[in-house]
Formats: sequence, C-alpha cells, structure tokens
Amino acid sequence: QQQVKQSPQSLIVQKGGISIINCAYENTAFDYFPWYQQFPGKGPALLIAIRPDVSEKKEGRFTISFNKSAKQFSLHIMDSQPGDSATYFCAASMRKLSFGAGTTVTVRA
Amino acid sequence: DTEVTQTPKHLVMGMTNKKSLKCEQHMGHRAMYWYKQKAKKPPELMFVYSYEKLSINESVPSRFSPECPNSSLLNLHLHALQPEDSALYLCASSQVDSGGSGELFFGEGSRLTVL
Repeated sequence: QQQVKQSPQSLIVQKGGISIINCAYENTAFDYFPWYQQFPGKGPALLIAIRPDVSEKKEGRFTISFNKSAKQFSLHIMDSQPGDSATYFCAASMRKLSFGAGTTVTVRA
Repeated sequence: DTEVTQTPKHLVMGMTNKKSLKCEQHMGHRAMYWYKQKAKKPPELMFVYSYEKLSINESVPSRFSPECPNSSLLNLHLHALQPEDSALYLCASSQVDSGGSGELFFGEGSRLTVL
C-alpha cells in the first residue's frame, strides 16, 4: 500500500523547459517532505525538502510547492538541463520515509 | 563522492552461499539504514539502527541478518537467499534517527545477483 502517490511515471522535456512532478498523500501525520534525485548506478541524494508549515521552497532551479489542504506537493525544475536527467522520488516522513514510485525525467538537448 | 561507502559494488551468489554486505560512514551519524531497491522501483526500508541498536525491522526474512559493530559500520549478512532477492542494496545514514525527518545520505549500493 503506497502512502505517497507520484505522477507522472516518466516525462520528457526539452532543454530550457519546465519539468513538473506531482505527489499526493493521505496521512496528515507526515511532517517532512523531501525529494530525492537518483542517477543510474548511484544511490539517491537529497535534492530539496519542505515542512508542512511552508507553502513553497526554492533552491536554485528547483522549487517545491506544498498544498496542505489538498495534501499535495510538487517539484518544479526550471530551465531543465540534460544533467537533470535522472529519476526523482518524492517522499513523506512520519516515523520513517515513505517513497513515491518515482519519475524518470529525460531532458532532450 | 558519496560519504557512505559500500562494499562490494557487485556480488553474485548461489542460494546456498553465505556472504556479507558492508557499509561504512565517517560523518558521525548515529542512525544507519539498509534499503532494498528493485529496478525502476523506490527504495524499500529493511532495517534501521539507532545508536547501534536495531530500532526498526520491516518484517524482513531471517535470511537477511543485520549487524552494527560500531557507530561507523553496518553489515548485512546473507544466507540461503532466493533469486527474487536479487536487487540493489542501499546503505544510508543520518545524524540521528529522527523518524526520517532529516537528510539521509545514501551509498552507491551493492548490486546483488542470486543464482
């Protein structure tokens, strides 16, 4: 039973475009929402994270938007670059991390 | 470069073999984790050690046996595995076991193939 639903499964974007990945959760006890980036052959690495008392967090080209009432959060990658091609996992935490299913992002040059 | 080091990077074993995966971190973290990741799937939590004590076992079969000899080392002992156990095994660490609400630092994983 997946506690965090992530979509889309994959997306292709042109260089310079915007990538948007969406996640939804049901458990209102979750108190920490990170995004992890994973390149082939590597372990996941924390990209950006947010807590539910904040509606938006931006770090460079990466922005998390958080809608507590809708129980949804999303990752926006602005000015997507070929080096952003990776799998992105949203997650939510209470006592432990629950990962979404992942989104494979391909940025075409 | 990752600060969580896992060895070996690749391991092939038969169903009757006994082998071990090793993980080391020198960041002073007091929580360490084992995850299993199948291709194109998210990591699945197996075990959590907090201050060298097992704090979470996600109902993992006994053919997987974790060990935390000290605050820097984490082992996963493997015995009588099944082919469906073939996966990428990821080790991670965090400053404390704060219920997952802190950054996890992952290693690059050990790719296990069970024949």
